Amino acid sequence: SQKIEQNSEALNIQEGKTATLTCNYTNYSPAYLQWYRQDPGRGPVFLLLIRENEKEKRKERLKVTFDTTLKQSLFHITASQPADSATYLCALETDYKLSFGAGTTVTVRA
Amino acid sequence: EADIYQTPRYLVIGTGKKITLECSQTMGHDKMYWYQQDPGMELHLIHYSYGVNSTEKGDLSSESTVSRIRTEHFPLTLESARPSHTSQYLCASSGKWSSGTSTDTQYFGPGTRLTVL
Repeated sequence: SQKIEQNSEALNIQEGKTATLTCNYTNYSPAYLQWYRQDPGRGPVFLLLIRENEKEKRKERLKVTFDTTLKQSLFHITASQPADSATYLCALETDYKLSFGAGTTVTVRA
Repeated sequence: EADIYQTPRYLVIGTGKKITLECSQTMGHDKMYWYQQDPGMELHLIHYSYGVNSTEKGDLSSESTVSRIRTEHFPLTLESARPSHTSQYLCASSGKWSSGTSTDTQYFGPGTRLTVL
């Protein structure tokens, strides 16, 4: 089955800087990959979806790339703000269900 | 804001009690899911359903059971709660078969924080 690996270390960055998060998977390339945001004690919220034939997707200050050769997706938060502090999860389809990575916690300092 | 609701939000009960966690969605989604998540840990799928009268066990073994008698409703039941069941339970829904979507974007409820003493 698919194994999903995200940066295990928490990311602490200064406001205004770009945060870059990594999501690697081990087996077959999925048709799409998703990114979610989760705040403490709450359910994840969908942010972006990128398909296997798309190299890059943007939504406001968020950018996602998908490299099926490297089996990797990068998630960028540009011009970061303290309100971006949260845990970010990548998810991809495996066995007709979504599998979630463990997430990377981002803290943006003012 | 997704139209998926969970009750109760917090529950503290004693060992041996029977509990039912409620989950309802008003989006007409066919697929529904239950996840278990401990603080700072990853989501684990414990049950899912592809439609009415369909239920399947997820990747993480759980002593809980689920039912799907109506499209909008997917309750989870623990017959005899134990301290090891203490966790956050998250319900989610996705997609409609009829819509032709295949991206399975999931919409999560706010979760139920269960504590078994």
